[in-house]
Amino acid sequence: GIQVEQSPPDLILQEGANSTLRCNFSDSVNNLQWFHQNPWGQLINLFYIPSGTKQNGRLSATTVATERYSLLYISSSQTTDSGVYFCAVALETSGSRLTFGEGTQLTVNP
Amino acid sequence: NAGVTQTPKFQVLKTGQSMTLQCAQDMNHEYMSWYRQDPGMGLRLIHYSVGAGITDQGEVPNGYNVSRSTTEDFPLRLLSAAPSQTSVYFCASSYDRGNTIYFGEGSWLTVV
Repeated sequence: GIQVEQSPPDLILQEGANSTLRCNFSDSVNNLQWFHQNPWGQLINLFYIPSGTKQNGRLSATTVATERYSLLYISSSQTTDSGVYFCAVALETSGSRLTFGEGTQLTVNP
Repeated sequence: NAGVTQTPKFQVLKTGQSMTLQCAQDMNHEYMSWYRQDPGMGLRLIHYSVGAGITDQGEVPNGYNVSRSTTEDFPLRLLSAAPSQTSVYFCASSYDRGNTIYFGEGSWLTVV
């Protein structure tokens, strides 16, 4: 099956810092989504981004499908950004059967 | 809209017992799925459905059954609970295969 690798596995920031999270995948995908899991376990969809660039406030994401990677940018980080960020992808042939990476654990300190 | 609703939120089972995790969505989504999340790991797909009456297996289907008699509901049944099924279970839905996926709040299951 498709492999999804996220880096770094852990990231500790001071409030106000910027960060870049990376997601590499091993095959062609037609579905790529970024999620934030907050400390209470809730999963929030951040972006549906199989290709191109999107921005939502302090967060933005870029997917380069031909090179099989996606980046999530967090600017001016806040303590509420803490949690685990997951990248999930689906193959062109597998519909919405998402395969998740193992996540990046982000801690933002005040 | 309530979105995706899962019940119960917490459950403790004894080995060998059976139970059903309920999932309902009010967004008229065709795609629904169940994932499990083990400590320190990403989510793994258990079963999914592309519409009422249609279900298929995901990555880790053993020990679980599903059915989809209506668009709104997608229950997950544990047939004979085992300690290896201790996990957090998430139900999810999306309008179709190429759309944003929405998750329920999770169900914490412990099998003793």
